[in-house]
Amino acid sequence: KAGVTQTPRYLIKTRGQQVTLSCSPISGHRSVSWYQQTPGQGLQFLFEYFSETQRNKGNFPGRFSGRQFSNSRSEMNVSTLELGDSALYLCASSFGTSGSYETQYFGPGTRLLVL
Amino acid sequence: AQSVTQLDSQVPVFEEAPVELRCNYSSSVSVYLFWYVQYPNQGLQLLLKYLSGSTLVKGINGFEAEFNKSQTSFHLRKPSVHISDTAEYFCAVSDQGAQKLVFGQGTRLTINP
Repeated sequence: KAGVTQTPRYLIKTRGQQVTLSCSPISGHRSVSWYQQTPGQGLQFLFEYFSETQRNKGNFPGRFSGRQFSNSRSEMNVSTLELGDSALYLCASSFGTSGSYETQYFGPGTRLLVL
Repeated sequence: AQSVTQLDSQVPVFEEAPVELRCNYSSSVSVYLFWYVQYPNQGLQLLLKYLSGSTLVKGINGFEAEFNKSQTSFHLRKPSVHISDTAEYFCAVSDQGAQKLVFGQGTRLTINP
């Protein structure tokens, strides 16, 4: 069974640009969550999507947005990039259907460098 | 709101020695607890999880953890470490209603030969 895949794996952008990251969950999983990992702030929850709807949201500015498609694939977008957005962005998937927490499985991440 | 404190940012040990990575959590509701491992330039891999039942949880690669509700701790242990265990370890907590994890700051485990 294939794991969570993320593309691209590495990305270099300049300040002010926007970027879109993609995540394909494990087959059958309908919940996709995004996390940002930085040396200073550690791992922080961005948002979670389930059945094409944002179900939970972390404490990030509106420049960070996402969406989910009918096949459960998800994209995350960051507009007007800032130097502080340089991070490893991790995607995690789970079935998400039980109404309680279900174990999340993580992808390898996309490393974004903002110059 | 939940929070997680990993008491050691770095833990150096010799190969074949035992190790304990400490984790304390704070939550006003029942929680699920996890340990994840991150090898260099990789994502997070689930080591073990506590959802309910026995407080001693066994995971992959010979790791185990003990849930202690009275001390709000979930320490990770391994009786004999190997060079391949060199990685960063994250303790995490989630409440039962949301697909969201709150992570500790991580503990870097370094194994010396």
